[in-house]
Amino acid sequence: EPEVTQTPSHQVTQMGQEVILRCVPISNHLYFYWYRQILGQKVEFLVSFYNNEISEKSEIFDDQFSVERPDGSNFTLKIRSTKLEDSAMYFCASSVRVSYGYTFGSGTRLTVV
Amino acid sequence: QQQVKQSPQSLIVQKGGISIINCAYENTAFDYFPWYQQFPGKGPALLIAIRPDVSEKKEGRFTISFNKSAKQFSLHIMDSQPGDSATYFCAASKQGAQKLVFGQGTRLTINP
Repeated sequence: EPEVTQTPSHQVTQMGQEVILRCVPISNHLYFYWYRQILGQKVEFLVSFYNNEISEKSEIFDDQFSVERPDGSNFTLKIRSTKLEDSAMYFCASSVRVSYGYTFGSGTRLTVV
Repeated sequence: QQQVKQSPQSLIVQKGGISIINCAYENTAFDYFPWYQQFPGKGPALLIAIRPDVSEKKEGRFTISFNKSAKQFSLHIMDSQPGDSATYFCAASKQGAQKLVFGQGTRLTINP
């Protein structure tokens, strides 16, 4: 079964450092997403990406965050200057149709110290 | 208005029993209601989903019941098994929107 692949599985970074989280969506999917889950809390939408541009973003997704699809397969989330409160599990997802039948990756656990 | 409220937070059921998790929403524009299952260290996986034109959808041991007038929907797991032990999230989205709004999650434990 096709999978969404995320790397790394765990990243520890110092406050103020930049991090890039990487994702390889399912090849025939057109919509790409980032969500985050703070430990023990619900999954929260960050951003959606379609046709090489951001199509929707939440209030969490401020100027510190950016997304990119640098080539035909990767989808990245960059946090420019990490804060302690950015510590969370970050999930990439993709779908064939908008908001329907998401497939999530296994996540990257980001720890900011 | 964008919230989806899920209960209970945690649930313990004996093997073979029925597990019931409930969700309520406020935004009447929501028209797609999926349930996700999440095992520790993994991402959420789509379990079953329903649209508001039907009141019930069944897939194997999993059933969604949908009450449009009450703006509530629930997941029923029949003959619950220890392998069903996981965190379950309800979610909702509206046509044209690209995001899913998730409930708080329910940690389900099935005792053998």
